[in-house]
Formats: sequence, C-alpha cells, structure tokens
Amino acid sequence: AQKITQTQPGMFVQEKEAVTLDCTYDTSDPSYGLFWYKQPSSGEMIFLIYQGSYDQQNATEGRYSLNFQKARKSANLVISASQLGDSAMYFCAMRNGGADGLTFGKGTHLIIQP
Amino acid sequence: GAVVSQHPSRVICKSGTSVKIECRSLDFQATTMFWYRQFPKQSLMLMATSNEGSKATYEQGVEKDKFLINHASLTLSTLTVTSAHPEDSSFYICSARDLRAGAAGGYEQYFGPGTRLTVT
Repeated sequence: AQKITQTQPGMFVQEKEAVTLDCTYDTSDPSYGLFWYKQPSSGEMIFLIYQGSYDQQNATEGRYSLNFQKARKSANLVISASQLGDSAMYFCAMRNGGADGLTFGKGTHLIIQP
Repeated sequence: GAVVSQHPSRVICKSGTSVKIECRSLDFQATTMFWYRQFPKQSLMLMATSNEGSKATYEQGVEKDKFLINHASLTLSTLTVTSAHPEDSSFYICSARDLRAGAAGGYEQYFGPGTRLTVT
C-alpha cells in the first residue's frame, strides 16, 4: 500500500527566508505522481505543484519547487522568499498508477514570522 | 481555471437524520469525482471515488450504506450521510479531475471549498 510521511508537524520561518518541507513516500508502483497542496485556515485545498515519477526534471511553479529524489523516495517542497501569506497547512499527496484518488500525508503547519 | 463548488458550506443536523452534500464542477465535465473526510487537525482521507453513471468505489472501512454517493451527471456528485451520528461530524471535501491538460499533466485534482458537518 502507498504511504506518505511528513515528519515536520510544525515549522516557524522568518519572512523572506527559504523553507523546505519534507515528504517521503512509499509505493511499489513504478508509475505515480506527487502533489503538494496548501490549506489555509479557510479549509480550501490549493494546488501548488506536481511531479510525475517519470519526469526527468524537478517541477517548478513560481516560488515553489519540488526537490524530487527518486532513489531516496523523497519529494520535498521548497518555497523561496517566504511571505506572511504562506502561513498555512501544507500536505504532500500521491496518486498511484491508474488510481486517481490521492493518499495524503499528515501535513506540516507552516508559520511565517515577520 | 477549473472550479468546483460544494453546497452547503456548513450544516448542523440532529442525530439520526440524513444530510446531503452536493459537489459540482462549474466549468468542466468530470466523469470522476472524489470524496474525502478530514477530522480536526488531521489529514484528508479518501472515502470513495464517484463515477458518473455507475456505482461508487469505496475505500476499505467506509460504510457504503451510510455514505451514499450518486453521480447522476457529468457535473454533479452528491454524498448523503444517512442516520448521522456525532462521530460523523467532520469536514467533507470533494474533488474532481479535469482531464484537460494542465500543470499536472491532467492529473490535477481541483477541490471544492468543503462542507463542515456537525451532528448534535
């Protein structure tokens, strides 16, 4: 069965600093995809970035980049130049093969301090 | 961009009653929608996959007779919590996959704003 592990329950970061949120995964399927979502206190799930298992390059979307290390089964999210509005819960998630339903990690509560 | 709506956003009901939650894809067709549940300060757990025109697929441990799912059209899926009890109180979120190519190669799931259910 697939599993997502986020080992950082909470993080405090100074504004404008870069932050790395950890995510490791476990799956036996060679075809999979990894997502990062942001969930502010309002509850909505905001898509940030996606990495397919066969993608050759690490995904980037604006200030977000995904540090994909396939051999180590890790997919860390890097946020550059953090902003106060980045404060939220961040979830790493995975889809497996043909299954579209996502498996989520427990999340990391990121707080950006001025 | 793809937009998914949910209704109602909040609902309070008495124990033993049934509650229906609607999930709509507003600007795209979704043959498949997903229902997740999130308890306070916890992660999202996939409950079921809703397929247009066919039966839903439930995850292990989810009672299909308690959580009735109907996907009657390409833009609407409903989740009915039957005979609700206080332990069913949770945040229910739906999502839909937009098969048009996007940032996630068509695999991106667009989430609704969620429905907070409180059973008294």
